[in-house]
Amino acid sequence: AQSVAQPEDQVNVAEGNPLTVKCTYSVSGNPYLFWYVQYPNRGLQFLLKYITGDNLVKGSYGFEAEFNKSQTSFHLKKPSALVSDSALYFCAVREKSGGYNKLIFGAGTRLAVHP
Amino acid sequence: NAGVTQTPKFQVLKTGQSMTLQCAQDMNHEYMSWYRQDPGMGLRLIHYSVGAGITDQGEVPNGYNVSRSTTEDFPLRLLSAAPSQTSVYFCASSYWTGTGENEKLFFGSGTQLSVL
Repeated sequence: AQSVAQPEDQVNVAEGNPLTVKCTYSVSGNPYLFWYVQYPNRGLQFLLKYITGDNLVKGSYGFEAEFNKSQTSFHLKKPSALVSDSALYFCAVREKSGGYNKLIFGAGTRLAVHP
Repeated sequence: NAGVTQTPKFQVLKTGQSMTLQCAQDMNHEYMSWYRQDPGMGLRLIHYSVGAGITDQGEVPNGYNVSRSTTEDFPLRLLSAAPSQTSVYFCASSYWTGTGENEKLFFGSGTQLSVL
């Protein structure tokens, strides 16, 4: 079965500093990887996805993610954090089951950006 | 467009009671799904559907039923509520392209359920 792991429960960063939220994956075959963000009392919102091609994927709100096959990682990054980026971030991997696809989510990482 | 609408936003049940969580989308999405979110466990898939009349089980289907009679609606039924079902429930939908590229999910705002 496909899986993703988010090794940090929480990441703290000062506003203006670069941020990284880590994700590692375990898949058979080529990975289809995603990042979603959840703001307080809201549903998840799609940020970006990696299917194939360039290892650096750009997404919404200035976020990007770097796919590293040798390290089986898909870390989320942003060059300059904003207080408004504070939220819960989920990494996910696509799993094919019975001919249909479904997303398997990690446990989530809470990002806290301090002024 | 309203997107994905879930009702109710909050619900308290007693053990053994039954109820239905409603989910509706107005984007003509073929694919709809239910997840539960528990602290430290991320989101776990309960049931999903790829079109009217077609449903399948996810990772944690026990204690839940679904049906899909229309494209727009995908209700989740708790048959006999248990404290272990206390959670936040999210409905999500997406386009179904036929090639399996259905991974950009649109989520509702969630239903917070407490079972006493």
